[in-house]
Amino acid sequence: GAGVSQSPSNKVTEKGKDVELRCDPISGHTALYWYRQRLGQGLEFLIYFQGNSAPDKSGLPSDRFSAERTGESVSTLTIQRTQQEDSAVYLCASSHNPGRGHQPQHFGDGTRLSIL
Amino acid sequence: DAKTTQPNSMESNEEEPVHLPCNHSTISGTDYIHWYRQLPSQGPEYVIHGLTSNVNNRMASLAIAEDRKSSTLILHRATLRDAAVYYCILCGGSNYKLTFGKGTLLTVNP
Repeated sequence: GAGVSQSPSNKVTEKGKDVELRCDPISGHTALYWYRQRLGQGLEFLIYFQGNSAPDKSGLPSDRFSAERTGESVSTLTIQRTQQEDSAVYLCASSHNPGRGHQPQHFGDGTRLSIL
Repeated sequence: DAKTTQPNSMESNEEEPVHLPCNHSTISGTDYIHWYRQLPSQGPEYVIHGLTSNVNNRMASLAIAEDRKSSTLILHRATLRDAAVYYCILCGGSNYKLTFGKGTLLTVNP
């Protein structure tokens, strides 16, 4: 079946511009997560959605970062006034409700964001 | 968060078994042991998870020590497509945050 889909796969933009990254989770997955992976580093958790609500936004690094989810499906991560330190691969994952016991997270292949 | 310790790298030959170790001496009673792997230029891929008993699936086996302070991911016959970074992660209760460390870089020789 279809996995997690992210678009665009690559994005190059100038410092100061806004960017939007999209994630289409696996159908029926109520939980959605965003992570960031800087070059040569491990994944950093950004935000968790259960349905359309985000009970945990603790990983968002600054108020330039925001995310929303609609229809318990698609999610968009927006970065305003991009900075060079925002350059990274942004990964989206989805799963069944983690509150019902351990649920594997299924990842997309990420959006590689490069800020010039 | 309880931490895991893995070797930085390991090598294997194609079609031979691979045993990837993970130490987690501070594991708590509610922590599950998860394994993910990440191939180059791809997102992480779930491999297997367990709590106390050994687990098998189509990808791998997970052997968990009786005291749960260590575990081993077993790939029964390594292929070139198994070359990846393997991450051992502890995740407690209904916790959803996966904390990825440096993992083990597995190289598979033809």
